[in-house]
This record gives sequence, C-alpha cells and structure tokens, in this order.
Amino acid sequence: SAVISQKPSRDICQRGTSLTIQCQVDSQVTMMFWYRQQPGQSLTLIATANQGSEATYESGFVIDKFPISRPNLTFSTLTVSNMSPEDSSIYLCSARRGGTDTQYFGPGTRLTVL
Amino acid sequence: QKEVEQNSGPLSVPEGAIASLNCTYSDRGSQSFFWYRQYSGKSPELIMSIYSNGDKEDGRFTAQLNKASQYVSLLIRDSQPSDSATYLCAALGGDDKIIFGKGTRLHILP
Repeated sequence: SAVISQKPSRDICQRGTSLTIQCQVDSQVTMMFWYRQQPGQSLTLIATANQGSEATYESGFVIDKFPISRPNLTFSTLTVSNMSPEDSSIYLCSARRGGTDTQYFGPGTRLTVL
Repeated sequence: QKEVEQNSGPLSVPEGAIASLNCTYSDRGSQSFFWYRQYSGKSPELIMSIYSNGDKEDGRFTAQLNKASQYVSLLIRDSQPSDSATYLCAALGGDDKIIFGKGTRLHILP
C-alpha cells in the first residue's frame, strides 16, 4: 500500500482567504486525486492531479477556485481559494500506483471557514 | 450518470452475527470494485477489492460480485464492536475514475 501524508491536518480560516493543502506519497505513483467529503456525505472527486500538466477537473469544480499543482510523481498541492463557509469540508488526497487500480487515501485535511 | 447506490442505514447487527452490506452500480463498464471502511473522523481505508464474479474471502470479510445483476456485497462474519463504521462501496469506471457510494453506517451491538 502507499503511505500518504497531508498537511495541515486541520485549519480554521477566515472568509475570503486561501489555504494550500500539501500531499506527499511515499513512493512514485501514476495517479493522484483530490476529493472533498462534506459532513455526512460520501466522497466527491474534485480533480485528477497530472504530473507536469494542468489538472483535470470534474464537473462543478474549476481551476480558479481549486488550483492544483503536481510538480513530481510524489507530491501535489490543492489550494482552496477565496473561501466561503460552504467550503468547510474534509479534503482528501488519494493515489494509485501504475498497473494497479487500488487507490489509497491520505488522512485528510479538515477545513472550517468562518 | 454513473452511480453507486447503497442503503445509508444505520444497519444494527448483534456482536458475533453476520453483517451483510449491499450495493448496486450503474456503469456496466466497471470491472473493479472496492469496499472501504471509514471510521468517524478518519479517512477511508481499503478492506476488500473484487474483480471477478463470485466470492472473495479475506479473514472475516467476504466480498461478492454479480456483474449480470450489477450487484456487490460485503459480508462480515463474527461481527465485532470495532467493525462499527461507515462502509463505502466503490466502482472503477471505464473512464478510470472511482465512483463511491454514499456509504452504509454499520453499528455492532455489544
């Protein structure tokens, strides 16, 4: 299995500010993803983080709001921009190794926007 | 729209009994299926994957797949209080993205 770390683990932010979440995987993986999980809800895919190119966003998510970087095979960042209370959620990084379809999750970042 | 459907529960099962969790999926192109366990306040943890029709056993867990019926299930034998969690069913679609169900809350009664 892949070991995935995220930081920060939690944060409380003011409306209108931005927060960048970092995700580090212990070994090279081909695919990295960012999910959001709102209270009591299941996982919603925000985007696929592509190494060296722009992320692929799902319907309802845009780059201006959730810019994503992936400078190498083991690291990615998700920024939540111009935050509002509706952005309060858990943000999860996920990764999958090449040649497998098994996907693992980081511990998550619990974001509260006041 | 591709979906994975689960009963949200809660499903209450006495300790030591068999817990049965079910889900259906809409994408006939899905070939890989997963069960994740999520404790409150924690991230999802993969507990089973299944790719072929039939049963796959791993310890107290058995996953069952019926592609004709587009149905996946998870059986937990000898249920323990530590099994109390939300169980997420997931399917890997033809677009190489995993779709998650909303999860079934399982409560094991001591």
